[in-house]
Amino acid sequence: DTEVTQTPKHLVMGMTNKKSLKCEQHMGHRAMYWYKQKAKKPPELMFVYSYEKLSINESVPSRFSPECPNSSLLNLHLHALQPEDSALYLCASSQGTPGDVGGALYEQYFGPGTRLTVT
Amino acid sequence: EDQVTQSPEALRLQEGESSSLNCSYTVSGLRGLFWYRQDPGKGPEFLFTLYSAGEEKEKERLKATLTKKESFLHITAPKPEDSATYLCAVQVYNFNKFYFGSGTKLNVKP
Repeated sequence: DTEVTQTPKHLVMGMTNKKSLKCEQHMGHRAMYWYKQKAKKPPELMFVYSYEKLSINESVPSRFSPECPNSSLLNLHLHALQPEDSALYLCASSQGTPGDVGGALYEQYFGPGTRLTVT
Repeated sequence: EDQVTQSPEALRLQEGESSSLNCSYTVSGLRGLFWYRQDPGKGPEFLFTLYSAGEEKEKERLKATLTKKESFLHITAPKPEDSATYLCAVQVYNFNKFYFGSGTKLNVKP
């Protein structure tokens, strides 16, 4: 089973709201990712968690706050977003990371995404 | 600077008309190349991993190949259900992230 689940599927929020996106995988993967994808553009990496620790933050504004409560769950907390933050937010996971001993190559499996609209 | 370029940007085919999509890359130390399919409003679906030049992978009507500078996704006798955006991504040594190309939007007409 290569399933990554994301909730909610759609989210509309005002610029003063606080909301959270959730991602879950039960494949035993040790790395999890958040991506942002605008229409007709490729996914842009936001954050990488490796073994439940934040390993990459691609200079994302502080109004996006990631959290990895355990190896199966990944959250993205949203606060004071701007209309330009409206996008499809994708979660992905992989078995390991290039930094792992042995340096194996791991494909990423993506969830269906959360369509976020900021009004 | 690491760069991944896909061409064409869009491709329209008749059902049964075979063609190829291109992914060219300029990166410092390729670790591997990945192909994904993405349907509108959904997450990318993993298709293939290619590790080294000369490698080929096949799945149904799709065949992916890799050289030292580019990868091709060959589509043989496509069907309308093959319509999607096809993304390639590369991973370089020592960096835990993908560099995605901008994708090729494929439209197969019946």
